Amino acid sequence: AQTVTQSQPEMSVQEAETVTLSCTYDTSESDYYLFWYKQPPSRQMILVIRQEAYKQQNATENRFSVNFQKAAKSFSLKISDSQLGDAAMYFCAYGRGGATNKLIFGTGTLLAVQP
Amino acid sequence: NAGVTQTPKFQVLKTGQSMTLQCAQDMNHEYMSWYRQDPGMGLRLIHYSVGAGITDQGEVPNGYNVSRSTTEDFPLRLLSAAPSQTSVYFCASRRGTGVDGAFFGQGTRLTVV
Repeated sequence: AQTVTQSQPEMSVQEAETVTLSCTYDTSESDYYLFWYKQPPSRQMILVIRQEAYKQQNATENRFSVNFQKAAKSFSLKISDSQLGDAAMYFCAYGRGGATNKLIFGTGTLLAVQP
Repeated sequence: NAGVTQTPKFQVLKTGQSMTLQCAQDMNHEYMSWYRQDPGMGLRLIHYSVGAGITDQGEVPNGYNVSRSTTEDFPLRLLSAAPSQTSVYFCASRRGTGVDGAFFGQGTRLTVV
């Protein structure tokens, strides 16, 4: 069975600094997708960034980028120039190819941004 | 541009009561899912649907029923609420398989006393 592990329950970063959130996963599948979701205090789940496993190039969305290490089954999220609005719970999620409506989530990392 | 709409946003039930959590999407998405979020456990899949008339169980289906009579709606029914079902429930939809991420509703906080 696939699993997703986020080993950092809480992280803190200074405004304008860079922070990296860790995620590892376990799967025997070759076709899959990885996602990072942000959950602010409003409770809304917001898709931050996504990565197809067959792509070697790391995905980037503005200040958010990933370090996808397929062999190591690692999918970390880097937030550059952190802003106060980045404070939230961040979830890493795995979706098997052909079944990405059935996401498997990690337990989340609570990110605090210090002014 | 409503996206995924869940109702109600908050609900308190007594043990043994039944209720239906509503979920509707206006994006003509084929795939819809229900998750529950508990502290320290992330989101876990309850039930999902790949199209009207087709549903299947996820990781934690016990105590919940679903149906999908239309593309737009995917209600979640609690037949006899238990305190263990106290949680935040999310409905999600997506266009199809692949890189498209799921769109989530705003969640329903359910408390069973």
